[in-house]
Amino acid sequence: DIQMTQSPASLSASVGETVTITCRPSGNIHNYLAWYQQKQGRSPQLLVYNAKTLADGVPSRFSGSGSGTQYSLKINSLQPEDFGTYYCQHFWTTPRTFGGGTKLEIK
Amino acid sequence: EVQLQQSGPELEKPGASVKISCKASGYSFTGYNMNWVKQSNGKSLEWIGNIDPYYGGTSYNQKFKDKATLTVDKSSSTAYMQLKSLTSEDSAVYYCARTGTRALDYWGQGTSVTVSS
Repeated sequence: DIQMTQSPASLSASVGETVTITCRPSGNIHNYLAWYQQKQGRSPQLLVYNAKTLADGVPSRFSGSGSGTQYSLKINSLQPEDFGTYYCQHFWTTPRTFGGGTKLEIK
Repeated sequence: EVQLQQSGPELEKPGASVKISCKASGYSFTGYNMNWVKQSNGKSLEWIGNIDPYYGGTSYNQKFKDKATLTVDKSSSTAYMQLKSLTSEDSAVYYCARTGTRALDYWGQGTSVTVSS
């Protein structure tokens, strides 16, 4: 099984700042990577698929990058509504493992 | 509009089974795989498995192979997940989610399962 190591586990940032979350799969997942945002008490929502393609309606301040065994989600000009927990997930093989999550708090 | 409407919260005793549902609307049900995801007490997400509604074929995470059974009813565009031999470890929120382009693009609202004597 491919394991997904996500970092940091938590971070706190101010409105307007730029943050980056990293996901490292234990094997090459060939850009078959998705990012999700989950707010407290809500279902996860898709942000990015195929490592760098924004899902419909996702603001352009979000961007995904990476390849092979290292991927990142970058949020430019952080907004108050961006708080929540972010997860990566690979789609290369089954099981389609998730990362451990990154809890983003707005200062 | 794509919607996945899950059944309500469940309270079950240890050793029992539970079957939760996910009714799809707004798209061709048989055209997209349906996944099930577990989230225990605010922790991370675990992929349980998925089912192809057209052919009925399934793929399970080995961890859940003896715990979960995925089925569909094409006539009502509904996916089901049955969990058997429940223990406290099965207490969690369970989500159904549609496979889009190599991602889970639509999610149900979640079903809480509590296992307690």
